[in-house]
Amino acid sequence: DVKVTQSSRYLVKRTGEKVFLECVQDMDHENMFWYRQDPGLGLRLIYFSYDVKMKEKGDIPEGYSVSREKKERFSLILESASTNQTSMYLCATGGGPNEKLFFGSGTQLSVL
Amino acid sequence: GQQLNQSPQSMFIQEGEDVSMNCTSSSIFNTWLWYKQEPGEGPVLLIALYKAGELTSNGRLTAQFGITRKDSFLNISASIPSDVGIYFCAGAPNQGGSEKLVFGKGTKLTVNP
Repeated sequence: DVKVTQSSRYLVKRTGEKVFLECVQDMDHENMFWYRQDPGLGLRLIYFSYDVKMKEKGDIPEGYSVSREKKERFSLILESASTNQTSMYLCATGGGPNEKLFFGSGTQLSVL
Repeated sequence: GQQLNQSPQSMFIQEGEDVSMNCTSSSIFNTWLWYKQEPGEGPVLLIALYKAGELTSNGRLTAQFGITRKDSFLNISASIPSDVGIYFCAGAPNQGGSEKLVFGKGTKLTVNP
């Protein structure tokens, strides 16, 4: 079974803090993704990566950056957290074009 | 961006009843995926469909890839309390990789024992 592990289930941060969300997968998948999930808005793609050191913007990249130094690890960075970034963050991994995505358990981030 | 219309938004049913939900799009998709998300967890893949007309089962769940390639259906037979959760459809358009997956907004299922 594919395992996608997100480092924290719950995080509480203050406005202006730098926040790191970590995601690790064990299936040697090329593609990794960060989504945020908000009630009524569904899943929205923030950033994705096809390979080590490669990154592409998704639909809502503003206020976020990412890092992929190793194939199995994809980090989402909030440089200066704001209250409108309070959300559920989901990491996903997939093997190729139109491949099914496998999700982590999510990180519920609250920015106060 | 593109959106899938998923309906119904929510369902309240009695244990033992059958459930049907669907997703429609104005665009053609060549992959349809169905996920279930339980509270506080990430979505878990239930069924993947890759061919128009395809009908695939996973236990009490059955999903179909519509002939027009613009819709998909998920049925749950003889529902049980652990079926509770939000069910999402996702579609991949003709061109593009996994980043082009489009998600429905989900159907929230409540099962009364």
